[in-house]
Amino acid sequence: GAGVSQTPSNKVTEKGKYVELRCDPISGHTALYWYRQSLGQGPEFLIYFQGTGAADDSGLPNDRFFAVRPEGSVSTLKIQRTERGDSAVYLCASSLTGNSPLHFGNGTRLTVT
Amino acid sequence: KQEVTQIPAALSVPEGENLVLNCSFTDSAIYNLQWFRQDPGKGLTSLLLIQSSQREQTSGRLNASLDKSSGRSTLYIAASQPGDSATYLCAKKVPGSARQLTFGSGTQLTVLP
Repeated sequence: GAGVSQTPSNKVTEKGKYVELRCDPISGHTALYWYRQSLGQGPEFLIYFQGTGAADDSGLPNDRFFAVRPEGSVSTLKIQRTERGDSAVYLCASSLTGNSPLHFGNGTRLTVT
Repeated sequence: KQEVTQIPAALSVPEGENLVLNCSFTDSAIYNLQWFRQDPGKGLTSLLLIQSSQREQTSGRLNASLDKSSGRSTLYIAASQPGDSATYLCAKKVPGSARQLTFGSGTQLTVLP
């Protein structure tokens, strides 16, 4: 079956611009996570959704970052006024429940120039 | 602060060798520990998940163990193959926030033919 799908796979934007990153989780998975991975590092937690609500957004670095999951399926991570330090691979994962193993997408590589 | 450490950062072995990857973590309070594989430019693939009540999990040539008292987990790979070359990451589920994973920085494994 289809895995977690993330689009676009690559995004290059200029400093100060707004970007949206999309995640399509595995069908039926209620839990959805966003992580950010810098080169040579493990992923860092950003936000977790259970259904439509953000159950834990403690990893969002500042108020320029926001994520939604309006219908409990697709999620969009939104970054305003991008900075060069935002450059990283943004990974999305989903799981059947909050206690099940996570399934990751291939990520979106964001480059802010 | 929850920390997960993986040593070494990189490892190169000849094909056929058995090997052990190490993961250590602060705070022995643990919900579960998960091992992932990451290929270049790809997302993470879950390999094994060990619940806090378990000591080990096995899948094919892989065996993961968990010792909560010492704050350690190991991933044992038997009869390594060139196709095992990838970065291996361990991740601990954070107590008090049961939905987050804290990742190590990974061990980059190269199996030489």
